[in-house]
Amino acid sequence: EADIYQTPRYLVIGTGKKITLECSQTMGHDKMYWYQQDPGMELHLIHYSYGVNSTEKGDLSSESTVSRIRTEHFPLTLESARPSHTSQYLCASSVLNYGYTFGSGTRLTVV
Amino acid sequence: AQSVTQLDSQVPVFEEAPVELRCNYSSSVSVYLFWYVQYPNQGLQLLLKYLSGSTLVKGINGFEAEFNKSQTSFHLRKPSVHISDTAEYFCAVSGSYGQNFVFGPGTRLSVLP
Repeated sequence: EADIYQTPRYLVIGTGKKITLECSQTMGHDKMYWYQQDPGMELHLIHYSYGVNSTEKGDLSSESTVSRIRTEHFPLTLESARPSHTSQYLCASSVLNYGYTFGSGTRLTVV
Repeated sequence: AQSVTQLDSQVPVFEEAPVELRCNYSSSVSVYLFWYVQYPNQGLQLLLKYLSGSTLVKGINGFEAEFNKSQTSFHLRKPSVHISDTAEYFCAVSGSYGQNFVFGPGTRLSVLP
């Protein structure tokens, strides 16, 4: 039973399109995160939030933006998708630092 | 600042053989330690974690890890692997005072028949 949901699981989209990747959690966690991961490679933190109306950029510079209007919802938006954005995007949440719960990921392909 | 090193990028092992995946960390503060597993085209799943107490931690799927503070290590072990254990394994560390997680680069475990 997943407690953190990401949609869509797979997305193929044309260059220049605006996209929003959805992430929702039902655990009431204050902290939420977005990671970018190329196949078989490391995870790179691109955004995080410690609560409603709190968002910060992560270690890896990203052209995406995030918002946190509700505790359970942490969407990621790309205003104009490019082939360089092709990657897997993983959403996670945590309470304190006792461990992350990850979603299943969104695999994005920009053609 | 914290960092995590996973010395082996790939570990091939035959089915039913034991395996150890190595993880070393550096941190100037008390830490929590974690191992996650990622199957192809999936997110990460928590295998086990060390927060405090016993340094030998048992997790899911028969895995265990031992926290060694003097060697700043948290190696993952399984006495007998299965084909289904083939996956990417990530070690992670977080500070007990609220710092974000730091993930290692991952170790790809390939279990051969």
